[in-house]
Amino acid sequence: SQELEQSPQSLIVQEGKNLTINCTSSKTLYGLYWYKQKYGEGLIFLMMLQKGGEEKSHEKITAKLDEKKQQSSLHITASQPSHAGIYLCGADDNTGKLIFGQGTTLQVKP
Amino acid sequence: DSGVTQTPKHLITATGQRVTLRCSPRSGDLSVYWYQQSLDQGLQFLIQYYNGEERAKGNILERFSAQQFPDLHSELNLSSLELGDSALYFCASSRGQAVYEKLFFGSGTQLSVL
Repeated sequence: SQELEQSPQSLIVQEGKNLTINCTSSKTLYGLYWYKQKYGEGLIFLMMLQKGGEEKSHEKITAKLDEKKQQSSLHITASQPSHAGIYLCGADDNTGKLIFGQGTTLQVKP
Repeated sequence: DSGVTQTPKHLITATGQRVTLRCSPRSGDLSVYWYQQSLDQGLQFLIQYYNGEERAKGNILERFSAQQFPDLHSELNLSSLELGDSALYFCASSRGQAVYEKLFFGSGTQLSVL
């Protein structure tokens, strides 16, 4: 079955710094979600990518889908404390089930 | 606020007991998904219902069952509870049944089995 591996598992950055989180799939990616979770709370939708090479941006967050590499990246520019949380990528496991990576915990130091 | 309501927020029970978690999807959403989140396993897909019918099934234990009612709310029943069932259980909903639809998550039910 398909698996999603996120890297790094955790990240601590200084406020104002840029950062990148990667999500690699064990099988072909036909699309991918990015969600954000505050500790102990529900997941908040960030972006959905459905085409190879697609890139989407929302405020200071940009996500790209590289279907050849079976990978997606999430880039945050000029990080702020409000960006802190757990970032999860999700994708169809090719059997109609939406699975998620283990998550990347981001801390932003003021 | 995602529009997805889960009750209760917290549940503390003992091993061997049975509990029911409830989810009300966003107005107009026909699909309901259940996920289990624990520190060691991450976010695991349990089951999806679409308009009352089971649509997809994950690694849901036989001790767990779910259903979606005609008014589209869903219940997840967990029985013969074990310590390892302690986790955060999320419900999510979407408009249709396609995989790549935007999912809206509830705030979860924290289950503690003592």
